[in-house]
Amino acid sequence: GQQLNQSPQSMFIQEGEDVSMNCTSSSIFNTWLWYKQEPGEGPVLLIALYKAGELTSNGRLTAQFGITRKDSFLNISASIPSDVGIYFCAGQPSNYGGATNKLIFGTGTLLAVQP
Amino acid sequence: NAGVTQTPKFRVLKTGQSMTLLCAQDMNHEYMYWYRQDPGMGLRLIHYSVGEGTTAKGEVPDGYNVSRLKKQNFLLGLESAAPSQTSVYFCASSPPRGLAPLHFGNGTRLTVT
Repeated sequence: GQQLNQSPQSMFIQEGEDVSMNCTSSSIFNTWLWYKQEPGEGPVLLIALYKAGELTSNGRLTAQFGITRKDSFLNISASIPSDVGIYFCAGQPSNYGGATNKLIFGTGTLLAVQP
Repeated sequence: NAGVTQTPKFRVLKTGQSMTLLCAQDMNHEYMYWYRQDPGMGLRLIHYSVGEGTTAKGEVPDGYNVSRLKKQNFLLGLESAAPSQTSVYFCASSPPRGLAPLHFGNGTRLTVT
């Protein structure tokens, strides 16, 4: 099936540093979403992107929908300890059709923040 | 407002046993989904439903069955569990608007020995 390449796999940073992660696909996507998952919980939506070139912020988080519609990135500025978790990109390929909201997920980026 | 609730949270099965995972949502969402999450592989779609009484196969449907008898509930069944089905299972729901984001439950950790 289709896959999303998410990188890096893991990041170990100091509190206050900025973080950047990205997701790429071999095919065109209609939607890009970024989720965060904490231990023992389900993924929680952070940012949703619906148009190529769209740049959206949610507090210290900023995400962009790539112009080619084959990639997206997520930046976290001035990281804090509670940013710890696994961050997943997800998207809907253009050939899925919009009626079902089925998503393809990336393999996740594990973020650890040292106080 | 509980959102998406999954039961049980944990379960251990022996190979060949059967079980049903229950997902309930109180957001009146039309669409519901079952995903499995395995290390290094992200979340993969098992089955989904676009409305009461309808179900469809996702990316990895083999060994699983589902039912959507009521709009708020989506059941995932394993008829004869195998060790390869050891995973964390997540249910999600979304409204019927195109491209609407999914809301996830907190998962069920299943171990098959």
